[in-house]
Amino acid sequence: GENVEQHPSTLSVQEGDSAVIKCTYSDSASNYFPWYKQELGKGPQLIIDIRSNVGEKKDQRIAVTLNKTAKHFSLHITETQPEDSAVYFCAASKGNTPLVFGKGTRLSVIA
Amino acid sequence: EAEVAQSPRYKITEKSQAVAFWCDPISGHATLYWYRQILGQGPELLVQFQDESVVDDSQLPKDRFSAERLKGVDSTLKIQPAELGDSAMYLCASSLGLAGVEQFFGPGTRLTVL
Repeated sequence: GENVEQHPSTLSVQEGDSAVIKCTYSDSASNYFPWYKQELGKGPQLIIDIRSNVGEKKDQRIAVTLNKTAKHFSLHITETQPEDSAVYFCAASKGNTPLVFGKGTRLSVIA
Repeated sequence: EAEVAQSPRYKITEKSQAVAFWCDPISGHATLYWYRQILGQGPELLVQFQDESVVDDSQLPKDRFSAERLKGVDSTLKIQPAELGDSAMYLCASSLGLAGVEQFFGPGTRLTVL
């Protein structure tokens, strides 16, 4: 089955700097890659997603890139703000199979 | 804004007791998921429903866990008997379709088994 590895497990950045979180997946047939943000005491919330027919997608300060050949995808957050502090999860799926999540990255933005 | 509702938010129980969690998905969402999230890990799917039918329960420990969605709307997840290792966050999510669509998560139920 699919296996998703996520790095780093923790990340601290200064406010205004960029943050990058990387994930690799094992199943080359996977075609949907969402990123979720989970704040303390809340359920995960989708922040951006990308499909295998697209190499990059941007939404304001957030971007995701996908390298199908290398089977990895990355989340980029620019101009980080304290409210970006949370746990971020990547996930992968194919067809109608369930999402498989990475283990998460705890991002701390230091003011 | 429509949200997935879950109750209770917190549950403390002793091992060997029965517990039940309830989820009300966003109106119109045919697909409902139950996930278990152990502290420091990502969510892991327990069971997936399409309307009232189970689509995937391959990771559900069926000797002690059961899930139902009788009328294809709200759903209940039950554990009987609870074990110490069941302590986790139980998340419910819903989506319009089966694949490649946004899943909306509820706030979760934090279960502690003593």
